[in-house]
Amino acid sequence: RKEVEQDPGPFNVPEGATVAFNCTYSNSASQSFFWYRQDCRKEPKLLMSVYSSGNEDGRFTAQLNRASQYISLLIRDSKLSDSATYLCVVNTPGGGADGLTFGKGTHLIIQP
Amino acid sequence: DTGVSQDPRHKITKRGQNVTFRCDPISEHNRLYWYRQTLGQGPEFLTYFQNEAQLEKSRLLSDRFSAERPKGSFSTLEIQRTEQGDSAMYLCASSPSVAGGNEQYFGPGTRLTVT
Repeated sequence: RKEVEQDPGPFNVPEGATVAFNCTYSNSASQSFFWYRQDCRKEPKLLMSVYSSGNEDGRFTAQLNRASQYISLLIRDSKLSDSATYLCVVNTPGGGADGLTFGKGTHLIIQP
Repeated sequence: DTGVSQDPRHKITKRGQNVTFRCDPISEHNRLYWYRQTLGQGPEFLTYFQNEAQLEKSRLLSDRFSAERPKGSFSTLEIQRTEQGDSAMYLCASSPSVAGGNEQYFGPGTRLTVT
């Protein structure tokens, strides 16, 4: 089982719609969670950290479900500029790499 | 610009040649990371430094790869005797915290093509 799994997509979504992705992780000792956004041929950029209580930043909401070992990202009122690959990142202390493991990413395409 | 910078942005080399990449982290960040990313994959960890100490190396990092951070500021990644399979984007990231799992900030990457 891969450490961090995401549906690669692509998700084709009309502008203005709401879209959600999930990401599952295999190590129950994982402690920190992040969503990064990566545009084509660009570097990943931190979108948001994911806290146990969930957190919201504008149109973006992240949730953590420790019991089921998944995190989610919800995008409301999607914009054309939201088209990108969204990387799920998990930190597991003692896991090497300072504990950060990246998923392969979910490709989102917002259509006009 | 006070972000992470990398040089060069693109490198084309012939198989068997050596290449060296440079990363300048955000100045107050004491942790520096190297990743490799190929098409359709997420970044894969190679190695990281806390200040000048190299604390972890991935199994992906063969003995042809070496990284240094001599003064705890910029870092270099050298690949000796390059192979076509080394073609990838090499990303550098830095982090402000001594604790694990904190947010990392990426540079624009060096895209390596081995012909």
